[in-house]
Amino acid sequence: NAGVTQTPKFQVLKTGQSMTLQCAQDMNHEYMSWYRQDPGMGLRLIHYSVGAGITDQGEVPNGYNVSRSTTEDFPLRLLSAAPSQTSVYFCASSPDRADTQYFGPGTRLTVL
Amino acid sequence: AQSVTQPDIHITVSEGASLELRCNYSYGATPYLFWYVQSPGQGLQLLLKYFSGDTLVQGIKGFEAEFKRSQSSFNLRKPSVHWSDAAEYFCAVGALSGGSNYKLTFGKGTLLTVNP
Repeated sequence: NAGVTQTPKFQVLKTGQSMTLQCAQDMNHEYMSWYRQDPGMGLRLIHYSVGAGITDQGEVPNGYNVSRSTTEDFPLRLLSAAPSQTSVYFCASSPDRADTQYFGPGTRLTVL
Repeated sequence: AQSVTQPDIHITVSEGASLELRCNYSYGATPYLFWYVQSPGQGLQLLLKYFSGDTLVQGIKGFEAEFKRSQSSFNLRKPSVHWSDAAEYFCAVGALSGGSNYKLTFGKGTLLTVNP
C-alpha cells in the first residue's frame, strides 16, 4: 500500500516553461487536493477534486490547471512557470472532504 | 470564513519537558479541528482530530489536545517531549464556507526544537 505518491521530488524550471506534477493514490479516496507550502505561510489550497471528473478552485488557483480523469490520479499543471511559483507542492487525498487528509511526500519546485 | 492562528512561530523545549502548542480559531460554530505534524523533508501526518463529543482527544505519539469552545482554542499537549518530536506542527480548521462548500484552513505552523 503506497498511499499518496508524488513525482518528481525535485524540479527546476525556467520562467515560461510548463510542466506537470504527478499525484497518485491507491486508497480509493474520492477527495484529492493540491497545496503549496511557502515559509511562514502554512499550506494554501490550489485546487481540489471531490471525485473523477469534478474539480474546483481553491485559495490560490491562478497559474495552475488540474484534471481528474480517474479516481487514482490528480495531476497539477503549471502552464507558464513564474518565479512566484517556487514552492513545495503537496498532494493529499481523503475518503471525504471533511475527513483526515493523507499527504504525499511533496515536490520541491524552483523556477528561475 | 474561518481563520486559524498559531501564536508561536518557534518553541524550544528540553527533552523530557512538557509541551503545549497553542491554536486559536475563528468560526461561528464548532468546526472540525486537526493537528498535523511535518518532519523535515516530509509530508504532513495527522496527529489527532476533533469532530464532536469528548473535548479531550488522544492522538498518536502520546499527544493530546483539548477543545475549549469558550476560548475558541484547540491546544496540543504532550507531558514529556522526546528528541524525535522535533518537527513543525500545524493546526487546521475545517468548516462550511458559503453554504455547502467545506473549507480546510491551515495555520502557519509552529516549529518545535528539542534540546538534549
